[in-house]
Amino acid sequence: AQSVTQLGSHVSVSEGALVLLRCNYSSSVPPYLFWYVQYPNQGLQLLLKYTTGATLVKGINGFEAEFKKSETSFHLTKPSAHMSDAAEYFCAVSLTYNTDKLIFGTGTRLQVFP
Amino acid sequence: EPEVTQTPSHQVTQMGQEVILRCVPISNHLYFYWYRQILGQKVEFLVSFYNNEISEKSEIFDDQFSVERPDGSNFTLKIRSTKLEDSAMYFCASSDPGQPLNFEQYFGPGTRLTVT
Repeated sequence: AQSVTQLGSHVSVSEGALVLLRCNYSSSVPPYLFWYVQYPNQGLQLLLKYTTGATLVKGINGFEAEFKKSETSFHLTKPSAHMSDAAEYFCAVSLTYNTDKLIFGTGTRLQVFP
Repeated sequence: EPEVTQTPSHQVTQMGQEVILRCVPISNHLYFYWYRQILGQKVEFLVSFYNNEISEKSEIFDDQFSVERPDGSNFTLKIRSTKLEDSAMYFCASSDPGQPLNFEQYFGPGTRLTVT
């Protein structure tokens, strides 16, 4: 069965600092991996996705993530945090694209301090 | 840019009452989903729907829940007899498998359901 683990329910960084949000997955077959962001009182917005090909994927707002099969990880990073990055971030896994359900992690709330 | 819309944004109902949550998916999408997020918890899959029938449902999606696409644009989630534990944010999503390399589910803003 698939599962997603996000280490750290809360992460705090200073503006301009590196952002690192951790995600590990469990899947019996090669997964498709996603990061979604949820701003307060809003829905989920796709940040980036890994399906096949290049293991380093770039998304919106300067975020990127690297798929590491050997570590079963898909950590999200951003070199320099901005105040507007404060939100809840969800890692998700899917077995097949489009038609299958997304299995979400518990989320990480990112706080950015000036 | 096309988007998924949901109504109402907030619904308050009494325990035992029926509620219908409405969603308008993106017009050319073919797959539809409902997810829920209990306050402070993770987003959970409820059901997926394709070609006018349920593709997959989770253990949460019991006989109290039903989905319907009553016309060419709306997608609804009905809870027949609400329980306190149904209080959550309900998200609708849709996807378009016809687009090559488009592996994305587009989410609506959610309906916050409060059962009292």
